[in-house]
Amino acid sequence: GAVVSQHPSRVICKSGTSVKIECRSLDFQATTMFWYRQFPKQSLMLMATSNEGSKATYEQGVEKDKFLINHASLTLSTLTVTSAHPEDSSFYICSARDLTSGYHEQYFGPGTRLTVT
Amino acid sequence: GIQVEQSPPDLILQEGANSTLRCNFSDSVNNLQWFHQNPWGQLINLFYIPSGTKQNGRLSATTVATERYSLLYISSSQTTDSGVYFCVPSNQAGTALIFGKGTTLSVSS
Repeated sequence: GAVVSQHPSRVICKSGTSVKIECRSLDFQATTMFWYRQFPKQSLMLMATSNEGSKATYEQGVEKDKFLINHASLTLSTLTVTSAHPEDSSFYICSARDLTSGYHEQYFGPGTRLTVT
Repeated sequence: GIQVEQSPPDLILQEGANSTLRCNFSDSVNNLQWFHQNPWGQLINLFYIPSGTKQNGRLSATTVATERYSLLYISSSQTTDSGVYFCVPSNQAGTALIFGKGTTLSVSS
């Protein structure tokens, strides 16, 4: 199956700083990637849809100025958490859809655990 | 969007037992995936199964699209099967998958 990677897998930062998370599709091209957030014992919550070469589409309640998404190539999308606060601590997961498969099956990265102190 | 109900919400098994997880959904679908989220958070693709039956080792899945449900069978469960199982249907190609609460499985030795 298709492989999606994320970097870093774990990050600790101080309140007020910014953190960038990378999501890469390793063996396929992804015109669309998705970003999710998951709090402990809860399900995945969609944050935004990232389209290559255009602006991301954010879900209601997600601050676009706080969670900056860039999808500059067919294999890379980045999520930058700006001016992070402790309430931003969460598990962030990206996914990508392999359109060439004909099935539009969605594959997920291993996630990034963010802790803001 | 499509409403999903998974049952049971929680399941505790002894190693070696078999189990069936059920997913009911509210609308017709052209895409349905089963995922396993392991205790480390990784989401693993189990099946892409908008209809029909598929098998992969100890796991198999059946989707009856006309009756709007899907089943995931786990045979001879192992401790590594522990985690959360998500059934995620959609009816719009190219859109994000929306996750429900899933079924939390705990397998003890």
